[in-house]
Amino acid sequence: NAGVTQTPKFQVLKTGQSMTLQCAQDMNHEYMSWYRQDPGMGLRLIHYSVGAGITDQGEVPNGYNVSRSTTEDFPLRLLSAAPSQTSVYFCASSNPISSGTTYEQYFGPGTRLTVT
Amino acid sequence: SQQGEEDPQALSIQEGENATMNCSYKTSINNLQWYRQNSGRGLVHLILIRSNEREKHSGRLRVTLDTSKKSSSLLITASRAADTASYFCATDAGNNRLAFGKGNQVVVIP
Repeated sequence: NAGVTQTPKFQVLKTGQSMTLQCAQDMNHEYMSWYRQDPGMGLRLIHYSVGAGITDQGEVPNGYNVSRSTTEDFPLRLLSAAPSQTSVYFCASSNPISSGTTYEQYFGPGTRLTVT
Repeated sequence: SQQGEEDPQALSIQEGENATMNCSYKTSINNLQWYRQNSGRGLVHLILIRSNEREKHSGRLRVTLDTSKKSSSLLITASRAADTASYFCATDAGNNRLAFGKGNQVVVIP
């Protein structure tokens, strides 16, 4: 199993550009999520999904869109990049055993994004 | 909002010593998890402790949970240089979200 994969590994955008960060998992996990990690801030949840066709907002959703058309893929779209979105982005997945409870998360290697 | 808060924020120890870090949280939880992050890498799950458990072991790791004080501790015994990493606690409050703390940097000096 490849686990959770993310592309690209690095990206530089200009302010106002849009792009999609890709995330895929091959573990048949129902739950997928996106986090951003900034120095001194820990990880903050952007969006999550509990299954194909179902997404919800996390702690810092503004400026980002997600969709979940398949179990495997959970892309994160930046609509109009801003310098404040410079960060490292992590995708994670897990298999919930019971509704509402979040268990062991499997993380991807991250995408380092710089917005100039 | 962020729930877990680790203390101390940074720890530097000699190889072979034990490392202890604490995590506090604010609301009731279903479980609390600890993760490790090596520099430039993704997070790796270390251990999960449920709200009805008080202590859990995994190899050289020992986690305790005190729900009355809303706190947890992670002990790494006989530390090794390879344990140099950032350690995060994360809490599950049953709303499909995992709330991470800001992390605790541990440096093990060979």
